[in-house]
Amino acid sequence: TQLLEQSPQFLSIQEGENLTVYCNSSSVFSSLQWYRQEPGEGPVLLVTVVTGGEVKKLKRLTFQFGDARKDSSLHITAAQPGDTGLYLCAPSTKAAGNKLTFGGGTRVLVKP
Amino acid sequence: NAGVMQNPRHLVRRRGQEARLRCSPMKGHSHVYWYRQLPEEGLKFMVYLQKENIIDESGMPKERFSAEFPKEGPSILRIQQVVRGDSAAYFCASSPGTANYGYTFGSGTRLTVV
Repeated sequence: TQLLEQSPQFLSIQEGENLTVYCNSSSVFSSLQWYRQEPGEGPVLLVTVVTGGEVKKLKRLTFQFGDARKDSSLHITAAQPGDTGLYLCAPSTKAAGNKLTFGGGTRVLVKP
Repeated sequence: NAGVMQNPRHLVRRRGQEARLRCSPMKGHSHVYWYRQLPEEGLKFMVYLQKENIIDESGMPKERFSAEFPKEGPSILRIQQVVRGDSAAYFCASSPGTANYGYTFGSGTRLTVV
């Protein structure tokens, strides 16, 4: 059973500040997905990272997959109130097939 | 192009009643997944289905819970004799043949047991 940890659990920042959230495990992943969930809604896929060391940018969001494919980070530059939400990581492994196991999430609050 | 449709959005049941949650996957998606989310927590996997088959039900409680995805019609998550601890948001997601391209989630059904 893989242990998946997201940190921090909660982050409150002012608009315009930067933030980084982390997703760590002792297992090696074949790929990893990041989702954002807004209150009252289902999660929405942000990005999928596949290659160790891969960096993907989505406007002000930068996603990095660790070289060993055991961890990932999400960095937000100049956060806006619209970035408020629960950020979830969901790694894939060959053993799990199509089933995704989600981390506990990082709850981000960006205050205007 | 409609996404994943879940209904109802909100469901209130008295203890001992049955709850039926429906999920219509995205067009072209043949894989359906159900997750449960308690307030302030992450998503917990319940069951993974393809048309007419249960692929993985390792996250589903052994009693009172069942799921189906018939050849025609939506996937149904059924909870019999509900208890207060069943109160949660239940999310359905769908994917095409592989989850590598990610899941598309519905907006969830919020079940409240009174």
